[in-house]
Amino acid sequence: QQQVKQSPQSLIVQKGGISIINCAYENTAFDYFPWYQQFPGKGPALLIAIRPDVSEKKEGRFTISFNKSAKQFSLHIMDSQPGDSATYFCAASGDAGNMLTFGGGTRLMVKP
Amino acid sequence: DTGVSQDPRHKITKRGQNVTFRCDPISEHNRLYWYRQTLGQGPEFLTYFQNEAQLEKSRLLSDRFSAERPKGSFSTLEIQRTEQGDSAMYLCASSSGQGGSPLHFGNGTRLTVT
Repeated sequence: QQQVKQSPQSLIVQKGGISIINCAYENTAFDYFPWYQQFPGKGPALLIAIRPDVSEKKEGRFTISFNKSAKQFSLHIMDSQPGDSATYFCAASGDAGNMLTFGGGTRLMVKP
Repeated sequence: DTGVSQDPRHKITKRGQNVTFRCDPISEHNRLYWYRQTLGQGPEFLTYFQNEAQLEKSRLLSDRFSAERPKGSFSTLEIQRTEQGDSAMYLCASSSGQGGSPLHFGNGTRLTVT
């Protein structure tokens, strides 16, 4: 019940396109859903996060869509750029973000 | 704010040896976390501290793993009698501890057990 399932494992998008990464969870006690970006040799860095009281949150080119009834959430990257090429992780937590359960990651490549 | 600092960046050790990693959190952060990340996987929570108190340690992988934060500032993670399966990236993160405050991760210590 602690799992967070992420798809796809890898994604190739043309520059200017939309990148979409999906996550699903089982634990209904989860109430905090962040997305992290990780470059090779670096630690994960928080991109954007959402709580289940809203269905969508947008920050710049990054948008989280949240479907509480389906227990799914997704990250949309608009106007994808080569600099966005990285590994993206969704995560979830039920205790104000302390013990995050991460998805397996999506390796994104944006082709120029 | 110099970010979360971890030392060493890389550690190669022989099976059966003990290793210790250090983490220096962002100075005003009172919560400190340890995660483990194996190749191609997401980070896996191990333990966390509020100041010097270890609030959750049931996720430590075995009794060979232990963590301390003696003065509520830096923290150490020790692995005793290392095994090849311990090879991974060990990540430290810190946060201010206020509700929903983001975790700031360091760049990790990569452990290779030969």
